[in-house]
Amino acid sequence: GQQLNQSPQSMFIQEGEDVSMNCTSSSIFNTWLWYKQDPGEGPVLLIALYKAGELTSNGRLTAQFGITRKDSFLNISASIPSDVGIYFCAGHSGSARQLTFGSGTQLTVLP
Amino acid sequence: DGGITQSPKYLFRKEGQNVTLSCEQNLNHDAMYWYRQDPGQGLRLIYYSQIVNDFQKGDIAEGYSVSREKKESFPLTVTSAQKNPTAFYLCASTGVVSGNTIYFGEGSWLTVV
Repeated sequence: GQQLNQSPQSMFIQEGEDVSMNCTSSSIFNTWLWYKQDPGEGPVLLIALYKAGELTSNGRLTAQFGITRKDSFLNISASIPSDVGIYFCAGHSGSARQLTFGSGTQLTVLP
Repeated sequence: DGGITQSPKYLFRKEGQNVTLSCEQNLNHDAMYWYRQDPGQGLRLIYYSQIVNDFQKGDIAEGYSVSREKKESFPLTVTSAQKNPTAFYLCASTGVVSGNTIYFGEGSWLTVV
């Protein structure tokens, strides 16, 4: 089956630093999605990417859909304490069944 | 407000009991999903439904059952056959109106006592 490799698994950064995380796949996806999950809550959609090469921003967040359609990255600039949480990538191949999630990146922002 | 509502937020189950988690959406989405999340882990698909009166098993369907009698509702029953049911359960939905982007409810914690 399809698999997503998300890295890093965890990150500890100082407030104000930039952060980068990425996902790679052995399969091609039509859509890449990035979510943030706070403890005990459901994942909240941050950015959706629909075309290869697409670069999309949402405030301090920027994500890109890789040209090969097998990878995506998420950057967070000037991190703040409320950025703490788990970030998940997800790839969608177009059918209802084929949404694959990465294992998540746990982000900790130190004051 | 439009969204996905899960209830209850916290549920305790005794050994041998069946429990049902509710999921309701008013987003006019066609497809609905149930995922299980264990601490520190990613999401695993339990069941999904693309249309009313139809549903398919996901990767970990054993010990669970679902129904889809209405477009808005997709309840999940955790049966006594599920040997390790303690987890965080997430309902999600997607549809053409959302560009096939999947949206999640706030989750339900199930604990076996």
